[in-house]
Amino acid sequence: SYVLTQPPSLSVAPGKTAKITCGGNNIGSKSVHWYQQKPGQAPVLVMSYDRDRPSGIPERFSGSNSENTATLTISRVEAGDEADYYCQVWDRSSDSYVFGTGTKVTVL
Amino acid sequence: QVQLQQWGEGLLKPSETLSLTCSVDGGSLSDHYWHWIRQPPSKGLEWIGEIDLRGISNYSPSLASRVTISKDTSKNQFSLKMNSVTVADTAIYYCARGGYYYDSSQDSWGQGTLVTVFS
Repeated sequence: SYVLTQPPSLSVAPGKTAKITCGGNNIGSKSVHWYQQKPGQAPVLVMSYDRDRPSGIPERFSGSNSENTATLTISRVEAGDEADYYCQVWDRSSDSYVFGTGTKVTVL
Repeated sequence: QVQLQQWGEGLLKPSETLSLTCSVDGGSLSDHYWHWIRQPPSKGLEWIGEIDLRGISNYSPSLASRVTISKDTSKNQFSLKMNSVTVADTAIYYCARGGYYYDSSQDSWGQGTLVTVFS
């Protein structure tokens, strides 16, 4: 089955830029969605189809996807961005969705 | 703004059947894909399955033999049943709204239901 690999954790200082990666075989040929999950809460969609920001998501969030890596970038990081982030794709070969392993972002 | 409200039995014994329902307010089951997703304690997200606007269901290959997703358009509700549960099925279960296409994101989520399987 298709595997999406994310770094377990990432620490970033306020005001700096966080780049969360999602690795998968030829992931650039797939559409990647990103979710933010804060403790005790349901996930929230923060990026769809690689680079489309849903309504209400700050412009500080951006996305890209090429070859074997998709990236969610958070510019000018704020304390409120501290959360777990998951990437997701639809895997045509298994006819199912696959989530990444998740990245815990800590704001220093 | 669509809202999803879910409920169901939270304590089960091994071999019993998990049953959860998700009610949709502000949206129609005939317009989108509808999903179930779970998250074991302190672990990542796992997609369980979906039901599309025509009522056709599709499941994760690892769970397909035990899972049924159905919908009742007259009540604007959809449901998850998982039989023969084990301790490994202990998780928070979420219902969510998908898009209009098979590879769409899930843009609205229920509040989650903790299901604990204990022996």
